[in-house]
Amino acid sequence: DGGITQSPKYLFRKEGQNVTLSCEQNLNHDAMYWYRQDPGQGLRLIYYSQIVNDFQKGDIAEGYSVSREKKESFPLTVTSAQKNPTAFYLCASRRGLGAKNTEAFFGQGTRLTVV
Amino acid sequence: GEDVEQSLFLSVREGDSSVINCTYTDSSSTYLYWYKQEPGAGLQLLTYIFSNMDMKQDQRLTVLLNKKDKHLSLRIADTQTGDSAIYFCAEVLTTDSWGKFQFGAGTQVVVTP
Repeated sequence: DGGITQSPKYLFRKEGQNVTLSCEQNLNHDAMYWYRQDPGQGLRLIYYSQIVNDFQKGDIAEGYSVSREKKESFPLTVTSAQKNPTAFYLCASRRGLGAKNTEAFFGQGTRLTVV
Repeated sequence: GEDVEQSLFLSVREGDSSVINCTYTDSSSTYLYWYKQEPGAGLQLLTYIFSNMDMKQDQRLTVLLNKKDKHLSLRIADTQTGDSAIYFCAEVLTTDSWGKFQFGAGTQVVVTP
């Protein structure tokens, strides 16, 4: 089945560590996105990518980094510079550029907790 | 305002209709979406509407669009306990060539027996 897969579902990080969240899609979508969700705040855009080897900062990119070496994969690294990383992280993909490319498909999310 | 706005909470009795409201920002937004999020899960697309439509119906779901007021609503008929979730409205900003989604904060819908 085609879809978008995030792993792991739960992740624990010690303070000062970098961690990487995985996002893989087999929908042949060009565009991929990372969102952060905090209670009562909806979704905030961290990074997005339209094509391989290109990506753009979203509204809250500080303390995060991404790569897009393959069309199918868009991993997110939460660095030690992110002061409050505990949150639910959602990855999404869309067919391609522009509003006419309809809906975004979402993964099941990764819950990151700093311990 | 700059944000997509939704009320944060809605309580409804099982069998009644639910109406979730949203105001969006871009009067030229082409696509407007409703997503559902169950606890601990990702977002699932419920329905979307083109801006040249006033209404769209899909089984128990009815979407109404008032372009003049930039107001979008989702009506769920015969609400069931399985409809308890967070509902997000979203627009795609036509001013942005990347087609970024702008989400509301989500409306928590609680269905009581």
